[in-house]
Formats: sequence, C-alpha cells, structure tokens
Amino acid sequence: SQQGEEDPQALSIQEGENATMNCSYKTSINNLQWYRQNSGRGLVHLILIRSNEREKHSGRLRVTLDTSKKSSSLLITASRAADTASYFCAPRSNRDDKIIFGKGTRLHILP
Amino acid sequence: DTEVTQTPKHLVMGMTNKKSLKCEQHMGHRAMYWYKQKAKKPPELMFVYSYEKLSINESVPSRFSPECPNSSLLNLHLHALQPEDSALYLCASSQGIGAGVYNEQFFGPGTRLTVL
Repeated sequence: SQQGEEDPQALSIQEGENATMNCSYKTSINNLQWYRQNSGRGLVHLILIRSNEREKHSGRLRVTLDTSKKSSSLLITASRAADTASYFCAPRSNRDDKIIFGKGTRLHILP
Repeated sequence: DTEVTQTPKHLVMGMTNKKSLKCEQHMGHRAMYWYKQKAKKPPELMFVYSYEKLSINESVPSRFSPECPNSSLLNLHLHALQPEDSALYLCASSQGIGAGVYNEQFFGPGTRLTVL
C-alpha cells in the first residue's frame, strides 16, 4: 500500500515555534501531497511535490522529499493559532489513480 | 469558482430510509471522489469517477450507490444503512486522473451523517 504514515501522531508547540511532521511510505510514487483538515471539516490541499523534486516552498510551508528513503517532511515556520489542525500526507502511487491518506498528525498550537 | 459544494451539511436517517448526498463542482474537473471519514481517522476512499464513469470502487457495500449524472455533479445514494455507517462523507474533485496528471484534489466541507 502507498498509504503514508505520519510521525508524530500528535504535536503541541508554542505559537511562533516551528512544527515539523514526517511521512513515510512504501511504494514508488508519482507525487506526494500534504493536506490540512480543521476539526470536522473538509481537507485543504497545501502543497504537492513531484517525485523528481527534493524541496518545495509555499509561504510558511516547506516540504522535502527523499525518494531513496521513501519519506517526506512538512515544516511550518513561525506557527500561528490558526495552524491548529490535522495534517495528512497523501502519496500518489505511479501504479494507480488513488491517493491514500496517512493517519495524520494532530497539531496543536499553544498561545 | 474553486469550490466544491455538498448538501446537506447534516443528515440523520433511520436504517430503513433512503437518502442521497449531493456534490457539485464548476471547475471543469473530470474526476470526482467520495470518501468516508470516521472521527480521528483519515479519509477512506470509496469511489472514483473519471469522465462520468466509475473508475474505482473500493469494495464498498452495495447499500452505498454512487451516481454521476454529469461532469459537475456526483451523488451518493444511501439505502438500508447501519449505525456504523455514521461518519463524515467527503466529496472531492480533481482535474483528472491518469498518467501525467498530478491529481491535486479539492474537497467539499462534507456531510455529517448519523444513522439511527
């Protein structure tokens, strides 16, 4: 299965600090995506990194991808209260059209 | 318009009822998805439609019946559900699926379903 596995499952940090979440997967991928979900609501696409890319930035987000280790990380810099949410990685296998979400990291930003 | 809409927001139904969930997008996307999400769990893929045809069925019980009347609409018909089917049902769309398509998905806010 190409399902991602996020680490840690839960993370609490002070506002202003950086938050790092990691994702590991098992199969070859076409791309890997990160999504955010606020409690009980729909998911929001954050960033997509292609298999031939190693790093990508979007605002306060930085994503890295290491295909040799089958892992990715999401860094949120200068965290804000509004960043409190669950974050899911979603590796997309290059064999089928499915995106299978990992279990997610629940991020809580403390005031 | 970059929005995926879902109706209703909340639905309570008995095990003998028949109801439908609706999803709509006007982004010209040709792939649409249904996911089921239980509390504190990731979304689980149920169905994928590509160009209005069912592309993927993740072995979903027949009491869930998807329908794609046109490229903008996706329905999920519900019949004889069980209490364990209570969950958040999410609809999503993407430009397409297949090789060379990067498949960023846009999600609706979901329908919170409770089966009594």
